[in-house]
Formats: sequence, C-alpha cells, structure tokens
Amino acid sequence: GDSVTQMEGPVTLSEEAFLTINCTYTATGYPSLFWYVQYPGEGLQLLLKATKADDKGSNKGFEATYRKETTSFHLEKGSVQVSDSAVYFCALSGFTGANSKLTFGKGITLSVRP
Amino acid sequence: GAGVSQSPRYKVAKRGQDVALRCDPISGHVSLFWYQQALGQGPEFLTYFQNEAQLDKSGLPSDRFFAERPEGSVSTLKIQRTQQEDSAVYLCASSLAFFGGNQPQHFGDGTRLSIL
Repeated sequence: GDSVTQMEGPVTLSEEAFLTINCTYTATGYPSLFWYVQYPGEGLQLLLKATKADDKGSNKGFEATYRKETTSFHLEKGSVQVSDSAVYFCALSGFTGANSKLTFGKGITLSVRP
Repeated sequence: GAGVSQSPRYKVAKRGQDVALRCDPISGHVSLFWYQQALGQGPEFLTYFQNEAQLDKSGLPSDRFFAERPEGSVSTLKIQRTQQEDSAVYLCASSLAFFGGNQPQHFGDGTRLSIL
C-alpha cells in the first residue's frame, strides 16, 4: 500500500537557519503530495501541495518540489523563524473519491530558538 | 467561524463504555474523512463519506467502530465497548468536491479520547 517516510526528529534550529525536512513516498499511480503543519494548540493546516511531477509548492517561505524520479518531496525554508515551531507532516493522496484519503508520515517536531 | 467543528474536544470514558464523536463539516463539502491520530504518530485513515454514502471503511480497526452521515452533512463516529488502545485524537476533515486530489482537506481540531 501507499506509505510516507519522514526523517526522524525532533529538529532544533536557531532563528534564520536553513531548514530541510526529508520526505519520501511509495505509491501506485500519480499521487498528489502535501505538507501539513500543526502549530501548538491548533489543528492541522495545509502548508503547501504539488499535484504532478516537477511541480513546486510554496507558501510562507516554505518550498517543496515533487520529484518522481527519487519519489521525494523534501520541505525547505531558507531562514526559519521562532513562529515556525510546529509539527510538520508529509502526506500523499490519490485523485478521486475514496482514493483522495490522505496517507501521512509520522511527523517531525521543529523547534526554532531565538 | 466556518471551519470544521468537532465535539466534544475532550472525552474521558471508562473501558467498556460506548462513545459518540461528532463532526460538523464545512457547509457544502461533499467529502468527509475520519482519521485516528495516536500520540506521536501521523493521522491514519478510518473512513470516507461522499455525501451520505460511506464509500470506504477499510481503515476502521474493528467492528466496534461505526460511522454515519445520514443527511450528507453532520457525521458521527461511534465506538462501542471502548478499549484502552482506542485512546487517541480523532480528526475529521472535509473537502469541497469528489475530485479530492486538487481539493484541500480542511481539518477540525479533533476530539481527544482517553479510555481509563
């Protein structure tokens, strides 16, 4: 079945550091790929998405590129802020109906210190 | 606001009791999903509704779990004879259309269920 693997955490960075969070996937067909974020005390929010190979999703300074050849969707940000401290989940879904259910990775906790 | 609303936010039950968790999706959203999130893990799919039809229940862990969406809007997830391993956060998500790959899922804040 479909699966998502995220790098082990937690990750602690200083403010303005460069961030990379690795994500690889296994899926049949051509899934859509997502990064969701969960800030402390809040619900899951969509951060960015990409729906086909070589697409780049971006939002709030974060970027991720859909790499079909390496089955990866790594999340990057050039300069993190304290407010980026959260749990980040990589996920995939199929396209239609019940196949559009999300398959999530385990999540990784990011802490950014001033 | 107009987001996905779940109730209760917290539920404590004794082992063996039945519980019911409610999800009020965004108005007009066709697709509704339930997920279970254990501590320190990512959410895992439980079941999917398109309007009132339950099209996929492959993620329900046992026949003690039952979900319904009788009028294609509000959904209820029921767990009978609860066990300690049912302790988790239960998330509900809705999306606008049938073609989900390009439609984001909007999540509620979840119900944190603790079984004593």
